Amino acid sequence: NAGVTQTPKFQVLKTGQSMTLQCAQDMNHNSMYWYRQDPGMGLRLIYYSASEGTTDKGEVPNGYNVSRLNKREFSLRLESAAPSQTSVYFCASRRLAGGSTGELFFGEGSRLTVL
Amino acid sequence: DAKTTQPNSMESNEEEPVHLPCNHSTISGTDYIHWYRQLPSQGPEYVIHGLTSNVNNRMASLAIAEDRKSSTLILHRATLRDAAVYYCILRDGGPNTGFQKLVFGTGTRLLVSP
Repeated sequence: NAGVTQTPKFQVLKTGQSMTLQCAQDMNHNSMYWYRQDPGMGLRLIYYSASEGTTDKGEVPNGYNVSRLNKREFSLRLESAAPSQTSVYFCASRRLAGGSTGELFFGEGSRLTVL
Repeated sequence: DAKTTQPNSMESNEEEPVHLPCNHSTISGTDYIHWYRQLPSQGPEYVIHGLTSNVNNRMASLAIAEDRKSSTLILHRATLRDAAVYYCILRDGGPNTGFQKLVFGTGTRLLVSP
């Protein structure tokens, strides 16, 4: 069972470069999420997709765009990377967006450094 | 959003029980208490959740105070692999709830010594 798969696992960018983080889940989950985690801090939600065809902003969406390509895949794009976007990015999925039960499943993370 | 308060860090010895506390004094009647943990260099993983009654699963036990203003995650015998950051999170389980973001906070870093 692959669960949630993120690529790439590591990336170094120069300021102003663009890149896309890919995320895919094989659990037939409806909702998917992108979080970032800075050193010594908790996870902050960037964008989420409650279901296929919908996306919404989270707490820290500035500088990012997302695409819910299909039910399995949810990508995060940095159009013009900045050093403040140096972080570890986690993709997660959940069977349903709402309700009390149903755990979040996380990928292993993508470590991004912007020079 | 109702918030949780956890100690920054705790220490334990291997094979001893560990009690990780969480305060949530503003919890509402429909808030479920969820626990996740994050092992080094990994994404968070689900541990357990509950509403009012104590809960047990293969990973841990969750003890919820009668007034629900606090809860305790119990690891019955800590192992080195249990060294992680543990997050206590509230999630509204009301009948009309739609999407809710899980606010992870900074959690409790558990150190386990051999």
